[in-house]
Amino acid sequence: NAGVTQTPKFQVLKTGQSMTLQCAQDMNHEYMSWYRQDPGMGLRLIHYSVGAGITDQGEVPNGYNVSRSTTEDFPLRLLSAAPSQTSVYFCASSYRTLSLSEQYFGPGTRLTVT
Amino acid sequence: KQEVTQIPAALSVPEGENLVLNCSFTDSAIYNLQWFRQDPGKGLTSLLLIQSSQREQTSGRLNASLDKSSGRSTLYIAASQPGDSATYLCAVSLMFSGGYNKLIFGAGTRLAVHP
Repeated sequence: NAGVTQTPKFQVLKTGQSMTLQCAQDMNHEYMSWYRQDPGMGLRLIHYSVGAGITDQGEVPNGYNVSRSTTEDFPLRLLSAAPSQTSVYFCASSYRTLSLSEQYFGPGTRLTVT
Repeated sequence: KQEVTQIPAALSVPEGENLVLNCSFTDSAIYNLQWFRQDPGKGLTSLLLIQSSQREQTSGRLNASLDKSSGRSTLYIAASQPGDSATYLCAVSLMFSGGYNKLIFGAGTRLAVHP
């Protein structure tokens, strides 16, 4: 199994540009989520999905959209990039609800918005 | 609001020392607590998962304890090695919405083990 994969690894955007961060997992996990990691703040939940066709907002959803058309893929879209979105983005998945199972993380995408 | 705090923020020790990393959380209504390791420029690797009904978990030289009533967890690393150098994150799982559990992370402890 490849686990959780993310592309690209690095990205530089100009303010106002849009892009999609890709995330895929091959473990047949129902639960997938996106986090952002900023210095000194730990990881914060952006959006999550409990299955194909079902998504919901996390703690910091503004400026981001998600969709879940398949079990495997969970892309994160930045509609109009802002410097405040400069961060490291992690995708994660788990087999079941987090009360019962551990969460697996991808390697991250380092995004810089100028 | 659940807050997770990790102390110390950074730690530098000589090889071979036994060490303890601390994690505290403000709300004891958690489902579980997870310790992760993060290497520079890399993702997070799960080390240990402690369910709320458990007191501790062990994996090799790692031992994690959980005291829900006092809102504390410790990660004990025995006989530290330079390869243990990384940032260690703890996270608690709690109910968010729609039946989904989310993780609340601490800011991490950056560990350096020098030969």
